[in-house]
Amino acid sequence: GAVVSQHPSWVICKSGTSVKIECRSLDFQATTMFWYRQFPKQSLMLMATSNEGSKATYEQGVEKDKFLINHASLTLSTLTVTSAHPEDSSFYICSVGRADQPQHFGDGTRLSIL
Amino acid sequence: GENVEQHPSTLSVQEGDSAVIKCTYSDSASNYFPWYKQELGKGPQLIIDIRSNVGEKKDQRIAVTLNKTAKHFSLHITETQPEDSAVYFCAARDPGANNLFFGTGTRLTVIP
Repeated sequence: GAVVSQHPSWVICKSGTSVKIECRSLDFQATTMFWYRQFPKQSLMLMATSNEGSKATYEQGVEKDKFLINHASLTLSTLTVTSAHPEDSSFYICSVGRADQPQHFGDGTRLSIL
Repeated sequence: GENVEQHPSTLSVQEGDSAVIKCTYSDSASNYFPWYKQELGKGPQLIIDIRSNVGEKKDQRIAVTLNKTAKHFSLHITETQPEDSAVYFCAARDPGANNLFFGTGTRLTVIP
């Protein structure tokens, strides 16, 4: 069965809107979750590591004020794209996995900014 | 940091033939190498993985080999079927941070 649930699967909104994406760990309590972004026909690029109860760790070049991450519980991490613009349109995917265990991915959220 | 290269970028095979996808990595400290299959509009799905203390692993039609000395690993799919058509990604894991570094992907097309 599914290990990770991601919602919504598809969002279309106007430029300037903020969009929240949820990632839920279904099988275990995840102290760490990962957020990736994937542009069409490209690979997955790690954006940030979400840490339960503390600040997320962002990869170089990812604006932390643009992509707000909240990991308030052991089963839920949220990514909020603030004041989204067309260049933020992408496929956002989260993953969960214990240390030294396989990582499992959600089904992704396709974000389209008009 | 880790750099993972993947070849080929596209691969077409006849149904029933074998497919091989190759990856190299740069960080000798990486110790875990998963392979993911991604279908259109979906998230990546883990299909097989291998740890650095093993040279080969097989699961039915899928196998992965690892050469630590040369820092490369390969995915082998035998008796390919049309439903194997997808994009395949290799990855290497940084043992300290637990995050994955992905290859650039291979679009596999199995021709019926």
